Amino acid sequence: DIVMTQSPDSLAVSLGERATINCKSSQSVLYSFNKKNYLAWYQQKPGQPPNLLFYWASTRESGVPDRFSGSGSGTDFTLTISSLQAEDVAVYYCQQYYITPYTFGQGTKLEIK
Amino acid sequence: EVQLMESGGGLVQPGGSLRLSCAASRFTFSSYWMHWVRQAPGKGLVWVSRISGDGRSTGYADSVKGRFTISRDNAKNTLYLQMNSLRDEDTAVYYCARVADQHDSSGFDYWGQGTLVTVSS
Repeated sequence: DIVMTQSPDSLAVSLGERATINCKSSQSVLYSFNKKNYLAWYQQKPGQPPNLLFYWASTRESGVPDRFSGSGSGTDFTLTISSLQAEDVAVYYCQQYYITPYTFGQGTKLEIK
Repeated sequence: EVQLMESGGGLVQPGGSLRLSCAASRFTFSSYWMHWVRQAPGKGLVWVSRISGDGRSTGYADSVKGRFTISRDNAKNTLYLQMNSLRDEDTAVYYCARVADQHDSSGFDYWGQGTLVTVSS
């Protein structure tokens, strides 16, 4: 199975400041045939299902604010929030869908400092 | 807007069975792979199973293989998860989810609200 490891486990950032969450996969999720990274990012707020933020590592889902960005390739990926807003408090997960089982990272809890 | 609504959760004793349903609406259900994902209380997301649009291809996490069966009825726009030989560690909120891309593996763009399964004596 591909192991997804996120860092840090928790993060406290001041309003308006940048937040960066990292995700590392135990093997590459870049499919050489189409040059796509099979990597998604989700945001989950308490009591709610996850909400897709990015797929193909950097393709922003409709409705996701542009202060969110996804980057990376191969085994190393980053989710960045350029200017943290109060509504961004949540747990964030990366997920690989390169091969089953479609494993998730352990989650990163983002809070306001 | 796309809607997914799970049902069928509840309290069951270890070794028991339960069938979850996920009613889908406002999209062409038969065109999409569908997945089940679970989340134990206070824990992270764990992928459970998937099924192709025509129901012919399925996949399972090792932890549920041989005990859980995913299926779908495209005429009823409904996804199912038959869970047998339930264990304490199967206690979780179970979500159904739709893939974002009809033609390729993809992230999950729509999720149900989840149904809680509690396995306890």
